[in-house]
Amino acid sequence: RKEVEQDPGPFNVPEGATVAFNCTYSNSASQSFFWYRQDCRKEPKLLMSVYSSGNEDGRFTAQLNRASQYISLLIRDSKLSDSATYLCVVTYGSSNTGKLIFGQGTTLQVKP
Amino acid sequence: DAMVIQNPRYQVTQFGKPVTLSCSQTLNHNVMYWYQQKSSQAPKLLFHYYDKDFNNEADTPDNFQSRRPNTSFCFLDIRSPGLGDAAMYLCATSRDRGAREQYFGPGTRLTVT
Repeated sequence: RKEVEQDPGPFNVPEGATVAFNCTYSNSASQSFFWYRQDCRKEPKLLMSVYSSGNEDGRFTAQLNRASQYISLLIRDSKLSDSATYLCVVTYGSSNTGKLIFGQGTTLQVKP
Repeated sequence: DAMVIQNPRYQVTQFGKPVTLSCSQTLNHNVMYWYQQKSSQAPKLLFHYYDKDFNNEADTPDNFQSRRPNTSFCFLDIRSPGLGDAAMYLCATSRDRGAREQYFGPGTRLTVT
């Protein structure tokens, strides 16, 4: 079983749609959670951290369910520029040795 | 702008011919990482340096080596590239181990012929 699992998609949605991605992780000791964005043939970039209480950044909302070991990302009012691969990332280990474990990513295509 | 730079962006090498990929950073971060990413797959951590302390992942083949001569530079050496080593190689940095964010370079796409 992969440590971080995501539905690879692709998710094809029209502009203005709301789309949600889920991610599950296997290690209950995971400590920190993130969503990274990776554009085609580019490097990953941090989109947002995910907190237990849930957090929002503009059109993006991230939620964490520790009991069920899943993380979600909601994108409202999708834009063409949101087309990318969204990588779910977790860390575990002590605070000074933790490393990032990436999911394979979920691809989003927003169409006019 | 402070950043992570990788050279070259595209590298073609022959089967079995050693190749070196380079990474430099102007962020003055303590930690530098090398990841391998194949098409439609997650980035896979190969190793990282915490300052001069080298940390190899258990499943990283011996064919892959790394050097960090100073804070700013880190090299990935592939001693005898095989066809299966064709991938995007990403360098990343973080201020400290366990830091919440890693900053990635643009990657080097390696082709093995």
